[in-house]
Amino acid sequence: NAGVTQTPKFRVLKTGQSMTLLCAQDMNHEYMYWYRQDPGMGLRLIHYSVGEGTTAKGEVPDGYNVSRLKKQNFLLGLESAAPSQTSVYFCASRFWKEDTQYFGPGTRLTVL
Amino acid sequence: QQQVKQSPQSLIVQKGGISIINCAYENTAFDYFPWYQQFPGKGPALLIAIRPDVSEKKEGRFTISFNKSAKQFSLHIMDSQPGDSATYFCAASMNYGGSQGNLIFGKGTKLSVKP
Repeated sequence: NAGVTQTPKFRVLKTGQSMTLLCAQDMNHEYMYWYRQDPGMGLRLIHYSVGEGTTAKGEVPDGYNVSRLKKQNFLLGLESAAPSQTSVYFCASRFWKEDTQYFGPGTRLTVL
Repeated sequence: QQQVKQSPQSLIVQKGGISIINCAYENTAFDYFPWYQQFPGKGPALLIAIRPDVSEKKEGRFTISFNKSAKQFSLHIMDSQPGDSATYFCAASMNYGGSQGNLIFGKGTKLSVKP
């Protein structure tokens, strides 16, 4: 069981470039989440999904898009990266009957 | 009303001492209060959690104390060890009203346990 995995681990982008972060989970969880973590700000929810084909906005969705085409994968896209999107991004998943969210190892993104 | 306020931002404790981290919330609809532990370069992991129907939950050296009337909860780490050095996040969620159990996190406390 790999749990929650994230690809890539590190990425440097130039302003205006686009990229997609991939989150995969092998626990058959229905719910998946994307957070960003900034120093002194805790974890803030970007988007989430309650099942395959569904997505919803979280606390800080602007500048991001997501897709959940397969139950095990949740993609986070940045169409036109900005320096304000420099952050560490975490994906998480949970079983619908339980409260515990399981986090991936994170992706450190720098936008120059 | 959706905020969870955590204090202190950082904490230094001697080995064997007690570490105490506090959180306060406003929304009385919250019904699940977890603490997550995060080591440098890793993702957060659930440490311990409580629901408002109990005032205390203990797992090993870790205890959550919950005060419903004051809308506060705290994490106590007894006999703190250098291996406990990490960042701790409190969080809260509610499982109705369309929030789908989404967690609202505090801003974190960086704990350093000195040998």
